[in-house]
Amino acid sequence: SQKIEQNSEALNIQEGKTATLTCNYTNYSPAYLQWYRQDPGRGPVFLLLIRENEKEKRKERLKVTFDTTLKQSLFHITASQPADSATYLCALYNTGGFKTIFGAGTRLFVKA
Amino acid sequence: NAGVTQTPKFRVLKTGQSMTLLCAQDMNHEYMYWYRQDPGMGLRLIHYSVGEGTTAKGEVPDGYNVSRLKKQNFLLGLESAAPSQTSVYFCASSYWRGRGSNTGELFFGEGSRLTVL
Repeated sequence: SQKIEQNSEALNIQEGKTATLTCNYTNYSPAYLQWYRQDPGRGPVFLLLIRENEKEKRKERLKVTFDTTLKQSLFHITASQPADSATYLCALYNTGGFKTIFGAGTRLFVKA
Repeated sequence: NAGVTQTPKFRVLKTGQSMTLLCAQDMNHEYMYWYRQDPGMGLRLIHYSVGEGTTAKGEVPDGYNVSRLKKQNFLLGLESAAPSQTSVYFCASSYWRGRGSNTGELFFGEGSRLTVL
């Protein structure tokens, strides 16, 4: 069955450092890989996506890489700030299926 | 422009009771979805709709029914609530970019927290 794995342990980093979150998947060939941010008690908010034929995508302090051979994406937040503390969800979408499937998310804490 | 609005935000039910969660979107999106989120399990798709008058089963549809009578509304019903349906429910929508061009980007509501005793 399709499976998305994200590190279930929380990631604690110091302000100003780069946070790196990992997303691995199996039994799936996504056309797009997406990252969302979710704050406690709120709905997920879309951050950015990367296509299957792209290796890297950047948006302000965010960078995403996508390796379809390893079936892995890395999500980086550079110059992290306490306001970046949240849960980050990885999601996959295949244009033929209409459905977006999600990982369980990784909680990030950025200490001042 | 409110985006995706869910009502109610909180509800407590007794086992066997029924209820309906309402989702409304004002972005003219074609696709709408209902997910449930449980600790450690991520978001799981219950049902979805690719247009007015259409519905389809997702990953965990048992115990739920849905209707999409109007394009902007997607209703999730629980006919006989069970404690296993205690969860946070999220509605989401996405727009049609064109055949082969959809990216699956979702716009979420703020969630409805349901407790079944």
